[in-house]
Amino acid sequence: GENVEQHPSTLSVQEGDSAVIKCTYSDSASNYFPWYKQELGKRPQLIIDIRSNVGEKKDQRIAVTLNKTAKHFSLHITETQPEDSAVYFCAASRNNAGNMLTFGGGTRLMVKP
Amino acid sequence: DGGITQSPKYLFRKEGQNVTLSCEQNLNHDAMYWYRQDPGQGLRLIYYSQIVNDFQKGDIAEGYSVSREKKESFPLTVTSAQKNPTAFYLCASSILGAAEAFFGQGTRLTVV
Repeated sequence: GENVEQHPSTLSVQEGDSAVIKCTYSDSASNYFPWYKQELGKRPQLIIDIRSNVGEKKDQRIAVTLNKTAKHFSLHITETQPEDSAVYFCAASRNNAGNMLTFGGGTRLMVKP
Repeated sequence: DGGITQSPKYLFRKEGQNVTLSCEQNLNHDAMYWYRQDPGQGLRLIYYSQIVNDFQKGDIAEGYSVSREKKESFPLTVTSAQKNPTAFYLCASSILGAAEAFFGQGTRLTVV
């Protein structure tokens, strides 16, 4: 089955700096890669996703890049703000697996004011 | 916070007792999932269902059971066979095909 690894497990940045979280996956058939943000005590919520036919996607301060050959994808947050502090999860799935998501272990991002 | 609802938010159970966690969605999604989240860890899949009256085991199904009698509902039973049931349980739903999963607010289960 799919295995997703996520690094780092914790990340501390100064407000205004950039943050990068990286994930690798094992199943070359995976074709959908979402990123979820989970604030303390709340449900995970999708912040951005990318499909395997695209190499990069941006949404304001958030971007995701995908390298299919190397089987890794990354989340980039620019101009970080204290409200970006949360746990971020990457995930991978493929169409013919009932869109079952396999999650990475999560990254706790702390943005210091 | 409409769409997918879990209840209760907090649940306490005595050792040796079965307990059922509720998950209901009104998004008309075919697929539903149960995940377990332990402190500082990622989400691990317990069971998932793509269609009514059918479900599949995930990575950590032992000690759990589910049913899918209605499209809207996917209850999870934590049985006494689950050796370490204290955790945060998240239900999710999605359309079929690789797509966004919508999560419920979660149920925090504590075994006392």
